[in-house]
Amino acid sequence: DTAVSQTPKYLVTQMGNDKSIKCEQNLGHDTMYWYKQDSKKFLKIMFSYNNKELIINETVPNRFSPKSPDKAHLNLHINSLELGDSAVYFCASSPLTGTISSYNEQFFGPGTRLTVL
Amino acid sequence: ILNVEQSPQSLHVQEGDSTNFTCSFPSSNFYALHWYRWETAKSPEALFVMTLNGDEKKKGRISATLNTKEGYSYLYIKGSQPEDSATYLCAFTASNTGKLIFGQGTTLQVKP
Repeated sequence: DTAVSQTPKYLVTQMGNDKSIKCEQNLGHDTMYWYKQDSKKFLKIMFSYNNKELIINETVPNRFSPKSPDKAHLNLHINSLELGDSAVYFCASSPLTGTISSYNEQFFGPGTRLTVL
Repeated sequence: ILNVEQSPQSLHVQEGDSTNFTCSFPSSNFYALHWYRWETAKSPEALFVMTLNGDEKKKGRISATLNTKEGYSYLYIKGSQPEDSATYLCAFTASNTGKLIFGQGTTLQVKP
């Protein structure tokens, strides 16, 4: 059983296009995250949702918009794709301890490699 | 700016060697320190989450310690095996939201 799944695994697209990456978790977790693995291989947080509510919104371009239809899904929509958006994007989820997400390990999806040509 | 530094960046050891890595993080506003193991072509998997100064955690041959006052954590691997080859990431959080600041990782290669 896949705990955190992402689709697609690979995405190749042209500059200027709009694309979405989907993430689903079947762990019953309350919190979901999107990370970007940058060119130096660092994992950097982009967004976090807690029961469909936006909790973390890092300084990413507003071309990136997360959408959480329910607490098991957190999708990432990217408008007007640019060359610099090429990266691997990881979704993750974690449970809450009370109101605190930080005390719990995060479960990562397999990643989506986005290539913008 | 919160920075998490890991050293060394890479490490090559022989099977059976014991090894350790360091993670340095800001010592103020500490909530938790996470360690993850990331094998090639896979996703990061959690090893430990530590929240209290002096915490020590162990999973099989891997253990970790935490010093929040001076801002460092050590990860130890006893008797390294080839299957331990991976990148080991530490991540610090200064908030209750789960916002993790990751280090660049230590890549371990264990030669048979």
